[in-house]
Amino acid sequence: EAQVTQNPRYLITVTGKKLTVTCSQNMNHEYMSWYRQDPGLGLRQIYYSMNVEVTDKGDVPEGYKVSRKEKRNFPLILESPSPNQTSLYFCASSSKTEDRGLYEQYFGPGTRLTVT
Amino acid sequence: KQEVTQIPAALSVPEGENLVLNCSFTDSAIYNLQWFRQDPGKGLTSLLLIQSSQREQTSGRLNASLDKSSGRSTLYIAASQPGDSATYLCAVRDNYGQNFVFGPGTRLSVLP
Repeated sequence: EAQVTQNPRYLITVTGKKLTVTCSQNMNHEYMSWYRQDPGLGLRQIYYSMNVEVTDKGDVPEGYKVSRKEKRNFPLILESPSPNQTSLYFCASSSKTEDRGLYEQYFGPGTRLTVT
Repeated sequence: KQEVTQIPAALSVPEGENLVLNCSFTDSAIYNLQWFRQDPGKGLTSLLLIQSSQREQTSGRLNASLDKSSGRSTLYIAASQPGDSATYLCAVRDNYGQNFVFGPGTRLSVLP
């Protein structure tokens, strides 16, 4: 089944404790991205990657890092989490497909992060 | 900078009604526009994708139109059902990069 998976789905941590949220897709997509969703602010893009070893900042990159060493994986790293990073995080991937349309995005189930 | 708005913010209708959700964007230089559905606490499900060269897309009871020059898209839902209750989000991908900007969403409730 074609899908985007994220782990963990739920995480409670403390300020300053480094964490990584993993994202993996099995559709051989070139493009992957991370979003955070907050009440009243909607979905905002954190980072995106056009392909292996190619990453770029989205609208809210501060406090986050990413890496793209393999095509299928795009982990989100919080080196020193703070309470304002408490949010619902989504990973997405897309590719150029002639039958479905160009760059249609597929989303993971989300990771709910709480930083105390 | 691209901004996306959606009207109304919330909508409650009785079952069976046809309804229209609106999405507006400030920069018409878009690559495509995508409509999503999000159920509470869940991920996003893609409904329709419209390329910048297209005027509309249809899937079942859903029809999405795009007027790029005026910066607007509409999502038409025919014969609404309680199972359609969810938040509907539109998002645009711009031509300048790979940024994907979302609207705030319309929360739809279809009452039995």
